[in-house]
Amino acid sequence: AQSVTQLGSHVSVSEGALVLLRCNYSSSVPPYLFWYVQYPNQGLQLLLKYTSAATLVKGINGFEAEFKKSETSFHLTKPSAHMSDAAEYFCAVVTSGTYKYIFGTGTRLKVLA
Amino acid sequence: GAVVSQHPSRVICKSGTSVKIECRSLDFQATTMFWYRQFPKQSLMLMATSNEGSKATYEQGVEKDKFLINHASLTLSTLTVTSAHPEDSSFYICSAEFGTQVLNEQFFGPGTRLTVL
Repeated sequence: AQSVTQLGSHVSVSEGALVLLRCNYSSSVPPYLFWYVQYPNQGLQLLLKYTSAATLVKGINGFEAEFKKSETSFHLTKPSAHMSDAAEYFCAVVTSGTYKYIFGTGTRLKVLA
Repeated sequence: GAVVSQHPSRVICKSGTSVKIECRSLDFQATTMFWYRQFPKQSLMLMATSNEGSKATYEQGVEKDKFLINHASLTLSTLTVTSAHPEDSSFYICSAEFGTQVLNEQFFGPGTRLTVL
């Protein structure tokens, strides 16, 4: 069965520093992978998605993620954190054939001034 | 982008009562809507998938008589928690799917926090 693991329920970075949010997946077939962001009292917003095209995926707000099959990872990065990036981030996997989203437990990003 | 709303955003009810949560796609017609449940510090767990005009498909372990889903139109789905009990307290999130491809993007509502006393 497919699953998603997000390492670190809370991550703090200084403004301007690199953001790295980790996501590892488990899937027996090629997956589709997503990163969502959730701001307080708002719905989940799609940041980026991997659907078997380019392994380096660029998303909104300067975020990008790289699909590494050998490491079963899809880590989210941003070169320079901004205060507005403070939010909850969810990684999700969808396995072809089921088309159901399986979410990680989320990582709360805090950006320090 | 597409907007999905949920109403109410918060609800507190007494044990034994029923609560209805609405999910609306405001600027698009959703072929499919999904209901998720999120416990504190846990993942969003898919509860059921609903298509307009047909019965919802529930995930394993989800009581269909407990969580009634009605998808009356292409822009509205409702989740009714019947005879709610404290263990039903949770954050309920809906999403609406837009598109005709095999895998379409889901747009999520802001969630409804249910507290059962």
